[in-house]
Amino acid sequence: EIVLTQSPGTLSLSPGERATLSCRASQSLSSGYLAWYQQKPGQAPRLLMYDTSSRATGIPDRFSGSGSGTDFTLTISRLEPEDFAVYYCQQFAGSPPTFGHGTKVEIK
Amino acid sequence: QVHLVQSGSELKKPGASVKLSCKASGYSFTDYSVNWVRQAPGQGPEWMGWINTNTGNPTYAQGFTGRFVLSLDTSVSTAYLQISSLKAEDTAIYYCARWDQVLYAFDIWGQGTMVTVSS
Repeated sequence: EIVLTQSPGTLSLSPGERATLSCRASQSLSSGYLAWYQQKPGQAPRLLMYDTSSRATGIPDRFSGSGSGTDFTLTISRLEPEDFAVYYCQQFAGSPPTFGHGTKVEIK
Repeated sequence: QVHLVQSGSELKKPGASVKLSCKASGYSFTDYSVNWVRQAPGQGPEWMGWINTNTGNPTYAQGFTGRFVLSLDTSVSTAYLQISSLKAEDTAIYYCARWDQVLYAFDIWGQGTMVTVSS
């Protein structure tokens, strides 16, 4: 099973700042099949990014994804109030699909 | 609009069974598989398994065999998750999610069903 380690656990930032979230895999995701989800309290996860760097429908361009191999990053260029949430990475390169434990982006 | 609508919250005693539903609308049900994801309180999501909506064949993750059964009723575009011999540690939110094989991601999620197991 591929283990995904997300860091930091919590990111305290102000609106307008840049957020950089990391997701490290225990083995190479050679296919690049890595997705990112946003989850707000009381809501289901929402797909943000797929295939490492492709934005899902309706996701604003302040969200971007990058990476390869074992190291992946989600960047939010300028935080909007609605972006404060928990973010999870998920890999589909190996079976079973696995999630990271999440990074909480909170208002500083 | 594409939706997955799940059944309501459940409160069960240890040892009981529960059957959760996930009704799809706005797309052809058999074009996409349905996956189930568990999220325990304060924890990250955990993939439980998936069901092929064409064949009805389920696949279970390790740790979700035996007491967990995935099934379908394609006539009403609905997937089901049944959990038997409930334990306190089954207390969680259970989500169904649509797998998009082009995006290689879970693109549509149900709103979740909270299952509480308590005596």
